[in-house]
Amino acid sequence: NAGVTQTPKFQVLKTGQSMTLQCAQDMNHEYMSWYRQDPGMGLRLIHYSVGAGITDQGEVPNGYNVSRSTTEDFPLRLLSAAPSQTSVYFCASSPRQGASYGYTFGSGTRLTVV
Amino acid sequence: LAKTTQPISMDSYEGQEVNITCSHNNIATNDYITWYQQFPSQGPRFIIQGYKTKVTNEVASLFIPADRKSSTLSLPRVSLSDTAVYYCLVGDGGNTGGFKTIFGAGTRLFVKA
Repeated sequence: NAGVTQTPKFQVLKTGQSMTLQCAQDMNHEYMSWYRQDPGMGLRLIHYSVGAGITDQGEVPNGYNVSRSTTEDFPLRLLSAAPSQTSVYFCASSPRQGASYGYTFGSGTRLTVV
Repeated sequence: LAKTTQPISMDSYEGQEVNITCSHNNIATNDYITWYQQFPSQGPRFIIQGYKTKVTNEVASLFIPADRKSSTLSLPRVSLSDTAVYYCLVGDGGNTGGFKTIFGAGTRLFVKA
């Protein structure tokens, strides 16, 4: 049981480049979300999804796009990378929408934009 | 969304009991209280969850007073490996549309030898 798998683990981008951070879970969880964590800070919610075909914005959605075509996958797209997007990105999933269900997090993607 | 307030950091020594308190004055009736632990370079890990009174598992205990406006995570006999950031989350059971889980800055616990 792999849980939540994020790829890549590390990435360096140039300003203006685009890329997709991958997130996959094999637990048949309905709810998936993306967070970013800046040094010494807590996690900020970027986008989330309550099921295949349904996504919504979190606290800091600007500059990011998501889609949820399958239950398993929830990729995060950076449209035009900026240095302000340098951060560690975490993907999380839970069985259902709602904080009463525990979240399982991936190991993170460390992104540097130069 | 219920906002939470936690101490920024705490220090302890090995073998001591550590209590981390979280304030959530505007907690809603259907909100649960959940605590996560995060080690450097890792994603947060679920520790414990409760709704009211006391919950205990193999890792920690969670104390919630009757008014539910605060909660206390208790870590018995901490070791160096308990050095981490601890997050308190408050959120509902998913009954409202557009649910968002908001993490605060957490409490940095440093355990000394």
